[in-house]
Amino acid sequence: GNSVTQMEGPVTLSEEAFLTINCTYTATGYPSLFWYVQYPGEGLQLLLKATKADDKGSNKGFEATYRKETTSFHLEKGSVQVSDSAVYFCALSSSGGSYIPTFGRGTSLIVHP
Amino acid sequence: KAGVTQTPRYLIKTRGQQVTLSCSPISGHRSVSWYQQTPGQGLQFLFEYFSETQRNKGNFPGRFSGRQFSNSRSEMNVSTLELGDSALYLCASRFVPGQEQETQYFGPGTRLLVL
Repeated sequence: GNSVTQMEGPVTLSEEAFLTINCTYTATGYPSLFWYVQYPGEGLQLLLKATKADDKGSNKGFEATYRKETTSFHLEKGSVQVSDSAVYFCALSSSGGSYIPTFGRGTSLIVHP
Repeated sequence: KAGVTQTPRYLIKTRGQQVTLSCSPISGHRSVSWYQQTPGQGLQFLFEYFSETQRNKGNFPGRFSGRQFSNSRSEMNVSTLELGDSALYLCASRFVPGQEQETQYFGPGTRLLVL
């Protein structure tokens, strides 16, 4: 079946540091890939997505590239802010057949001033 | 456009009781999915409804059920509550199912505590 593996958290960074959160996946076919962010006490918000190999999704300074050869979709940001502190989820939805999205376990990011 | 709304936001029940949660999708969205989020298991897909029919189902016992109304609003019911059902229940809507790259929009969730 499909699966998504994210790096364990929490990830603790100082403001303006470079961020990478690793995400790898296992899926049949050609899934679409997503990053969601969840702020404390809230639901998930879509951060960015990519629907085919080599696509780069980007939003609010975050970006991730769909790498089919390495089955990865790592999230990066060049300079994090305190307001980026949240939990980040990598997810996929498989192509064809049933729509049953698969989420990673989430990675908590803590940014210190 | 108003976002996905869920009611109630917080709920406390005791073991053995049943609970009904409600979700109103974004106007025009026809698909509603439900998820359970717990610290131990993460975010798990419960089921998806479209046109008042359950289209997809995750791996949850029959105590978890749902329905969708003609206006696309959806309810989720959990019967015979267990302590392990304590979780944040999220619903998400999207416009047209079957398009896997389509974005889901999540509500703020209902936090259920079972005592």
